Amino acid sequence: GAVVSQHPSRVICKSGTSVKIECRSLDFQATTMFWYRQFPKQSLMLMATSNEGSKATYEQGVEKDKFLINHASLTLSTLTVTSAHPEDSSFYICSASGQVQETQYFGPGTRLLVL
Amino acid sequence: AQKVTQAQTEISVVEKEDVTLDCVYETRDTTYYLFWYKQPPSGELVFLIRRNSFDEQNEISGRYSWNFQKSTSSFNFTITASQVVDSAVYFCALSEAYSSNTGKLIFGQGTTLQVKP
Repeated sequence: GAVVSQHPSRVICKSGTSVKIECRSLDFQATTMFWYRQFPKQSLMLMATSNEGSKATYEQGVEKDKFLINHASLTLSTLTVTSAHPEDSSFYICSASGQVQETQYFGPGTRLLVL
Repeated sequence: AQKVTQAQTEISVVEKEDVTLDCVYETRDTTYYLFWYKQPPSGELVFLIRRNSFDEQNEISGRYSWNFQKSTSSFNFTITASQVVDSAVYFCALSEAYSSNTGKLIFGQGTTLQVKP
C-alpha cells in the first residue's frame, strides 16, 4: 500500500515553456501533498504544501506565480513550472499523506532539464 | 528551532560489515515524529520507519534496527551485515506535532552509504 506515482519521470524542455508534473496517490486518499525540490547531492527542499480543495501554502522564497500548484482531488496534485528557465532544472519530488500527521509517502520524482 | 543533523556525509563499508548512521535532532515540541528514508540512485525516497516521541522502544526489522534515545536526542540507524543493495543516501527527518511546521518534514543533509563487494 501507500503508492505514489509521478509523471513524467523525465522532461526536457526549451526555456520559456511551461511544464506540468502530476503526482497521484494510487491506493489511498491524500488530504495533503507536498512538493520538494532536490539539487544534486543535497537534501530535499520543501517548496509548498497543498491540501485538497484549498490553495497551496508556499515556503519562503518560493515564487507561487512561478510554481503553480493545484490539488483538485484527493488523489491528484499538479505542479506547473511556468516559463521555465535553465535555473529551474532540478529533481522535483512529491509526497502524499492521508492526514496531516501521517507518514509522507514519496513519488519517484521528475527530472526537469530546461535548455 | 527544529533541526536534524546527520554528521556523516559519506560512509564506505565492505559487504557484510555492520554500519550505523547517526541522526541527532532538535525540537521544542514534546510530541514529534522521527523518520528514516532511503534514496537509492533511482531517486525515489523509500519510507523505512516512523517513530513517535513517546515510543522509545528500539525496533528491529530484518537487518535494520533503530535506536531512539530522547536523552541524547538521537535516532540512529544500524544496518547489520550490509549488502551492495544497501548503497543509497539515507535521510533522517523530523515532524513536529504542534508547531507552525506541523506535518512538514525537516530533513537532515543525508548520509551517502556505499557498500563495496
